[in-house]
Amino acid sequence: DAEITQSPRHKITETGRQVTLACHQTWNHNNMFWYRQDLGHGLRLIHYSYGVQDTNKGEVSDGYSVSRSNTEDLPLTLESAASSQTSVYFCASSESAGWVDTQYFGPGTRLTVL
Amino acid sequence: QKEVEQNSGPLSVPEGAIASLNCTYSDRVSQSFFWYRQYSGKSPELIMSIYSNGDKEDGRFTAQLNKASQYVSLLIRDSQPSDSATYLCAVGRLLLNQGGKLIFGQGTELSVKP
Repeated sequence: DAEITQSPRHKITETGRQVTLACHQTWNHNNMFWYRQDLGHGLRLIHYSYGVQDTNKGEVSDGYSVSRSNTEDLPLTLESAASSQTSVYFCASSESAGWVDTQYFGPGTRLTVL
Repeated sequence: QKEVEQNSGPLSVPEGAIASLNCTYSDRVSQSFFWYRQYSGKSPELIMSIYSNGDKEDGRFTAQLNKASQYVSLLIRDSQPSDSATYLCAVGRLLLNQGGKLIFGQGTELSVKP
């Protein structure tokens, strides 16, 4: 069955370190998204991509970067981790172009920055 | 004003009752609307999508959309303790010459008491 996976599921790191969170989907979806979820803030969009080589900033993109070299993967990199980036991170994907379609979410990565 | 607003709850209903979850949105040109359910520690999962004014039913769930009032709701009939979760309302925003993204409300926590 097609799915969307994230790794690692849990990560503890130190302030200042570079961290990369992986997202892989097997639906062949064009669109991929990264969110963070914090108590009191709901789901906030970090970065998104509508296809290979396309990336766009979301509402909370500072300190994060993404690259899209193939359809299946959109890794999220924290260039220099900060305690404020402690959060739960969700990757999502959707199929349609030119329409806002259902997004399907991965299981999430819980990141702690000490 | 937040783009998508939901009552944070918690909303508590007895088992077997109807739970009513409400959501308002600010962007009049929005065309697609979604309800996601999120259990504690899990990722959001789609319950319903709705695109046209009126009601859409799926089992015990009914989504209602009123674009003139910029209002979307979710009714859960015969509520069960297993329905206890946070319900996220999401509104689609289509970007010119691109795909689209979802704007999420902060979620309503539902508790169904046996």
